[in-house]
Amino acid sequence: NAGVTQTPKFRVLKTGQSMTLLCAQDMNHEYMYWYRQDPGMGLRLIHYSVGEGTTAKGEVPDGYNVSRLKKQNFLLGLESAAPSQTSVYFCASSYVEAGGLYEQYFGPGTRLTVT
Amino acid sequence: QQQVKQSPQSLIVQKGGIPIINCAYENTAFDYFPWYQQFPGKGPALLIAIRPDVSEKKEGRFTISFNKSAKQFSLHIMDSQPGDSATYFCAASRCGNRDDKIIFGKGTRLHILP
Repeated sequence: NAGVTQTPKFRVLKTGQSMTLLCAQDMNHEYMYWYRQDPGMGLRLIHYSVGEGTTAKGEVPDGYNVSRLKKQNFLLGLESAAPSQTSVYFCASSYVEAGGLYEQYFGPGTRLTVT
Repeated sequence: QQQVKQSPQSLIVQKGGIPIINCAYENTAFDYFPWYQQFPGKGPALLIAIRPDVSEKKEGRFTISFNKSAKQFSLHIMDSQPGDSATYFCAASRCGNRDDKIIFGKGTRLHILP
């Protein structure tokens, strides 16, 4: 199992450009998440999905859109990149056990720089 | 009420010492408290987790202490090693709620001196 994979690993954009980050998981998890990590800010949830075809806003959704057309994929889009979106982006997936415990599995991250 | 406050922001400990990282929460509905470990250039990974029906959980050199009345929990690393140098995140959530999310603390950057 590859677990959670993210592409690309690195990207440099100019202000106003658009791009899509791809997250894929092979664990058949229902839940998927996009976070951004900035120094001193921890992990902040951008958007998440509790199943194929569903998405919801997290803590910092502005400037981002997402889609979950297939259960194994979760796409994060930036329509018009801004320098404030320079960050490391992590995708995660999780499941819910019968007892309710769930672990989040994280991808390796995408380092995005917007100039 | 959704916040998880983590301290300290950074910590330096000599090899063999016992670093302690503390977290506090406000939402009494939280019932799952994991700790994640993140090495430089990698994604976070689950280290250890606790439910509020126990006051302590040990896995190897890592121990979570949980104080339900104070709404606090902490991570202790026994006999710390340079390989434990990483960023540690505490988190909290409500299990089983389909729309719920994990709330992360801001992280503690731990450095173990050789």
